[in-house]
Amino acid sequence: SQKIEQNSEALNIQEGKTATLTCNYTNYSPAYLQWYRQDPGRGPVFLLLIRENEKEKRKERLKVTFDTTLKQSLFHITASQPADSATYLCALFYNQGGKLIFGQGTELSVKP
Amino acid sequence: ETGVTQSPTHLIKTRGQQVTLRCSSQSGHNTVSWYQQALGQGPQFIFQYYREEENGRGNFPPRFSGLQFPNYSSELNVNALELDDSALYLCASSVDFSGAGGELFFGEGSRLTVL
Repeated sequence: SQKIEQNSEALNIQEGKTATLTCNYTNYSPAYLQWYRQDPGRGPVFLLLIRENEKEKRKERLKVTFDTTLKQSLFHITASQPADSATYLCALFYNQGGKLIFGQGTELSVKP
Repeated sequence: ETGVTQSPTHLIKTRGQQVTLRCSSQSGHNTVSWYQQALGQGPQFIFQYYREEENGRGNFPPRFSGLQFPNYSSELNVNALELDDSALYLCASSVDFSGAGGELFFGEGSRLTVL
């Protein structure tokens, strides 16, 4: 079965620095990959989608890369702010089975 | 446009009881997915409904069942509750099958505690 691994340790960074979060998967490459933000006690909120034939996607201060050879996606937040503190989830969609599978999430804390 | 709404927001049940959770999907969305999220874990896929038909199921026992109504709202039913069923249950709606690449719009969840 497919396995998704995100940094299990919380990530603590200083305001203004770039946060980099990792999502690794095993076996088959997904048709696409999504990143979500989740605040405590709230539902996840969609941030970005990247397809298997795309290398990089950007949206404002966010950047996602997708390397199907390494079976890895990296999620970057540049010029991080305390308001970026949250848990970030990666989610992979496989055409076979037709469902979106989430990683366990990485907690990001940005200190002023 | 109204977002995804779930009810109840919190509930407490005892082992062996049954629970029904409800979800109103976002206007214009015909697909609803249900996820279970234990504390400190990512959401686990339970099942998905597309136009009132179950369209995919995760690794959950048959005591987890669901329905989607003609207005695309949905219910999740869990019978014979176990302690491990304690979790945040998330409903997410989307415009079409996940395969179309659409984002999921999540509700705020129903927090279930089983004693």
